[in-house]
Amino acid sequence: DTEVTQTPKHLVMGMTNKKSLKCEQHMGHRAMYWYKQKAKKPPELMFVYSYEKLSINESVPSRFSPECPNSSLLNLHLHALQPEDSALYLCASSYLIGSDTEAFFGQGTRLTVV
Amino acid sequence: SQQGEEDPQALSIQEGENATMNCSYKTSINNLQWYRQNSGRGLVHLILIRSNEREKHSGRLRVTLDTSKKSSSLLITASRAADTASYFCACSGGGADGLTFGKGTHLIIQP
Repeated sequence: DTEVTQTPKHLVMGMTNKKSLKCEQHMGHRAMYWYKQKAKKPPELMFVYSYEKLSINESVPSRFSPECPNSSLLNLHLHALQPEDSALYLCASSYLIGSDTEAFFGQGTRLTVV
Repeated sequence: SQQGEEDPQALSIQEGENATMNCSYKTSINNLQWYRQNSGRGLVHLILIRSNEREKHSGRLRVTLDTSKKSSSLLITASRAADTASYFCACSGGGADGLTFGKGTHLIIQP
């Protein structure tokens, strides 16, 4: 199984809502990532988890809260988002941080904040 | 920042022709990877070239890396309509734990 599964595929939420994005992989990868991608722009790194511990927080606003419950799951909790947070949110995994191997990406969650 | 910069930003060619995309980066890297993205969905890994490699092939793909010029190129030979997509280079290393992506090239293959 070389898949990274993200749910939901689409999400529309109001600025006062709380929602969560989910990501799952069963490749035994110990590094997992959240990226944000705006239209016609490249993905930008948000968070990196290594062995279920947060390794990097790229100065992301606190309205985004990541969680890694175990080595296969990664969540992104959303609260009090702004319309400018509308974007494609991509989850990825790789064998280890810094290893010379590829990253596997999920299909993304397209988030619209209204 | 070690962000890659790609050129051209957009490329339109006829089916069967070759497509070449270039990427430049700013700092040292462990490896450089190329990804394809269709219609704003997930990214698909195409090829990885390590910093001590100069050229790599995979099917119709050929990647070169020139660390002295901090640049890479991706060549797609005998293009097909299904190759229409956005292509991104991504750098790994240089102190960063994730991938740093270039701006991407949008490739359109005309049938």
